[in-house]
Amino acid sequence: QVQLQQWGAGLLKPSETLSLTCAVSGGSLRGYYWSWIRQPPGKGLEWIGEINHSGSTNYNPSLKSRVTTSVDISKNQFSLKLSSVTAADTAVYYCARGGGSGGSCFGYWGQGTLVTVSS
Amino acid sequence: DIVVTQSPDSLAVSLGERATINCKSSQSVLYSSNNKNYLAWYQQKPGQPPKLLIYWASTRESGVPDRFSGSGSGTDFTLTISSLQAEDVAVYYCQQYYSTPPVYTFGQGTKLEIK
Repeated sequence: QVQLQQWGAGLLKPSETLSLTCAVSGGSLRGYYWSWIRQPPGKGLEWIGEINHSGSTNYNPSLKSRVTTSVDISKNQFSLKLSSVTAADTAVYYCARGGGSGGSCFGYWGQGTLVTVSS
Repeated sequence: DIVVTQSPDSLAVSLGERATINCKSSQSVLYSSNNKNYLAWYQQKPGQPPKLLIYWASTRESGVPDRFSGSGSGTDFTLTISSLQAEDVAVYYCQQYYSTPPVYTFGQGTKLEIK
């Protein structure tokens, strides 16, 4: 059974960099795209971007200039960095497993991490 | 980007009755080469991540009760719960995964409650 366990700092100041990591157990990173998705409190879902095991990435154009994702095959983990955060970046951030290629829906999700940006 | 719009925003249905949620995309999500609609449905309960219910517009995820069904093609889709149970109270989202390069987008959500 695939499980995603995520962690990272939950409280940031404006202009800092958000950093989250997601560890995958019960399966390999290979063969899938791995996404980050966020949800502001009381609001809907926004896809941030995805990465596969070889480091190929796709990002939401609305966030692309501030997003970096990476993968560590040896640890079966992938990570998100979002720079220059503002209060608008306050959200629950989820990691999720997408498809192999050609479009992804998300069958496995992490538990979510609430990231609050406040001075 | 493909914009995905759900209706209604909220819905109250009696236990045992049918619940219907609609999803409309700003352009077709039907890929002609494989005749698949790149549209999924999720259920989200408070404090939990979304749970995948339906993919390819009408394929039920393993373990999802058969009272949940998806239909539609092209730009117009429907999630139907045939007989509402108390545990179905949640927010439901549709998502398109057609865009190339990928920019996956979700509907705004529909809150389902018991009448």
